[in-house]
Amino acid sequence: GENVEQHPSTLSVQEGDSAVIKCTYSDSASNYFPWYKQELGKRPQLIIDIRSNVGEKKDQRIAVTLNKTAKHFSLHITETQPEDSAVYFCAALGVDSSYKLIFGSGTRLLVRP
Amino acid sequence: KAGVTQTPRYLIKTRGQQVTLSCSPISGHRSVSWYQQTPGQGLQFLFEYFSETQRNKGNFPGRFSGRQFSNSRSEMNVSTLELGDSALYLCASSLGPSSLVYSGGHNEQFFGPGTRLTVL
Repeated sequence: GENVEQHPSTLSVQEGDSAVIKCTYSDSASNYFPWYKQELGKRPQLIIDIRSNVGEKKDQRIAVTLNKTAKHFSLHITETQPEDSAVYFCAALGVDSSYKLIFGSGTRLLVRP
Repeated sequence: KAGVTQTPRYLIKTRGQQVTLSCSPISGHRSVSWYQQTPGQGLQFLFEYFSETQRNKGNFPGRFSGRQFSNSRSEMNVSTLELGDSALYLCASSLGPSSLVYSGGHNEQFFGPGTRLTVL
């Protein structure tokens, strides 16, 4: 079935360092990959997304890369700040049986001041 | 514009009971998706409604059901509650169905604050 695997489950970095979160999807027909940030006690919010016709997309300190052949996509956060501490979820638009977002299990990012 | 709202925010039930959760989407949004969030499992898709029709369903037992009203508000119901149903239930609203995204449309999902269900 459709599946999205996300690694690592937890990530601790020093303020100012970079953080990378990786996801792998199973549905080769997927063409849309959003990333959500969920701060403690808050609702998930979309921070960046990418479509399969693009290999990389940047928005200030965050970027997402996509490798369609390998079915991998990654979130890159540069110059991390304490307010980046949150749980990050990747997702892929599942197409196999019906259209729906399939989420990864989440990465808890801690940015140490 | 008001965001997505969910009621109630917290619920405590006992095994065997049933529960109904409500989600009011952003004004103008016609699609509501429901997710179950548990620690370590991420967000598991329950179902999506668009224009009062269920468009797709996740891998959950028939005890989980939902509906959507003509004003786009949606409810989900869980019958015969089990301990494992304890979770945060999130709904998300969007302008159109998820299939719109596949065809290249912009269709961001906006999440509500969730309903925390505890089954004792």
